[in-house]
Amino acid sequence: DAKTTQPPSMDCAEGRAANLPCNHSTISGNEYVYWYRQIHSQGPQYIIHGLKNNETNEMASLIITEDRKSSTLILPHATLRDTAVYYCIVYNNNDMRFGAGTRLTVKP
Amino acid sequence: DVKVTQSSRYLVKRTGEKVFLECVQDMDHENMFWYRQDPGLGLRLIYFSYDVKMKEKGDIPEGYSVSREKKERFSLILESASTNQTSMYLCASSWTGDVYGYTFGSGTRLTVV
Repeated sequence: DAKTTQPPSMDCAEGRAANLPCNHSTISGNEYVYWYRQIHSQGPQYIIHGLKNNETNEMASLIITEDRKSSTLILPHATLRDTAVYYCIVYNNNDMRFGAGTRLTVKP
Repeated sequence: DVKVTQSSRYLVKRTGEKVFLECVQDMDHENMFWYRQDPGLGLRLIYFSYDVKMKEKGDIPEGYSVSREKKERFSLILESASTNQTSMYLCASSWTGDVYGYTFGSGTRLTVV
């Protein structure tokens, strides 16, 4: 059971922000929210993670709601190379379960 | 950079063959994992290991076994390959408590004919 819910697909225009939502209503207090992405024919790649504060790195920003039941991954200026499947995972140092993710297509 | 290397990128095997998929990591990670990925099903956990000679079943262990004789190597074994085991197989590793989660290999696309 992946414990997260994501839309199956989204489109985004090149250069615009891509906002990918994730619901994790059963998250427990010590579980982190992780985001990975998988570009076609490659293994998943770590993007960002957070516990309750918003986080930003060179790849993306992560916004976690105050009740921690949902989060949004933001790619501020999407490029064609950001086309991938994005996975939202709740994790606390145990085995990581992946759902089906969101297939993001960035269009020119 | 941490590297997780899977021995084959593409593999074609016959039904009934015994198949070994090898995974090696070079960062002294305690934990190693095997997933399979099929269209529309995401990644499903087959087996994992938290230490040498230890193994735990994931969500879909049937038809598979694993071996971890050395810390850096985790092998997935298909005792008698079947066509429904045609899939992309992904290996991952991590440290216990590593906040960056898992590092994945590039995958082995196995076709059983």
